[in-house]
Amino acid sequence: QSALTQPPSASGSPGQSVTISCTGTSSDVGGYKYVSWYQKHPGKAPKLMIYEVSKRPSGVPDRFSGSKSGNTASLTVSGLQAEDEADYYCSSYAGSNSVFGTGTKVTVL
Amino acid sequence: EVQLVESGGGLVQPGGSLRLSCAASGFTLSSYWMRWARQAPGKGLEWVADIKQDGSEKYHVDSVKGRFTISRDNAKNSLYLQMNSLRAEDTAVYYCARRLSSDAFDIWGQGTMVTVSS
Repeated sequence: QSALTQPPSASGSPGQSVTISCTGTSSDVGGYKYVSWYQKHPGKAPKLMIYEVSKRPSGVPDRFSGSKSGNTASLTVSGLQAEDEADYYCSSYAGSNSVFGTGTKVTVL
Repeated sequence: EVQLVESGGGLVQPGGSLRLSCAASGFTLSSYWMRWARQAPGKGLEWVADIKQDGSEKYHVDSVKGRFTISRDNAKNSLYLQMNSLRAEDTAVYYCARRLSSDAFDIWGQGTMVTVSS
């Protein structure tokens, strides 16, 4: 049950795009279509942004998109806005278990 | 309003026990898988445990197996986490969450802080 690997940080200017990777193994990310992404602001509850690799829950802007190739999933935030500055965590089903990523701090320059 | 509210956190000595509660409102708890997750200070999110709608299936992360137990009382619209033999590394904010589908959790509580220290 090792954490999925994410880059520690990512950044972009307002209006630009940023993509965050999430690398696992064939036992988690690569083995299932159950990758989720969460946004977390300090002191706040996690917010679900993407589920089942690329689906958006109601209310999440279409600036947020997800994809997967092999053992690596990705979250892209297009048209960056100041409120997108937060920590982002991926999560994957791993066969009766679940595992989160190490987290990526997104900074809006 | 759909809401989850955790309670029961606090300061406990190593080796001690705590029982966390999560009160659900605005929806029928018995219709959903539920989860406990945690975040240690300065660290990332960690999955702790999941429980099926009727409590017939429970899954725990290896690091808490034999020490923590997830449970629920649908009649009381409540989720629980019994934590025994607590260790310093269990210090974290504990969150409960409701499953939307397939390992995705859409409703989260604000969390309750557990500090294990002498």
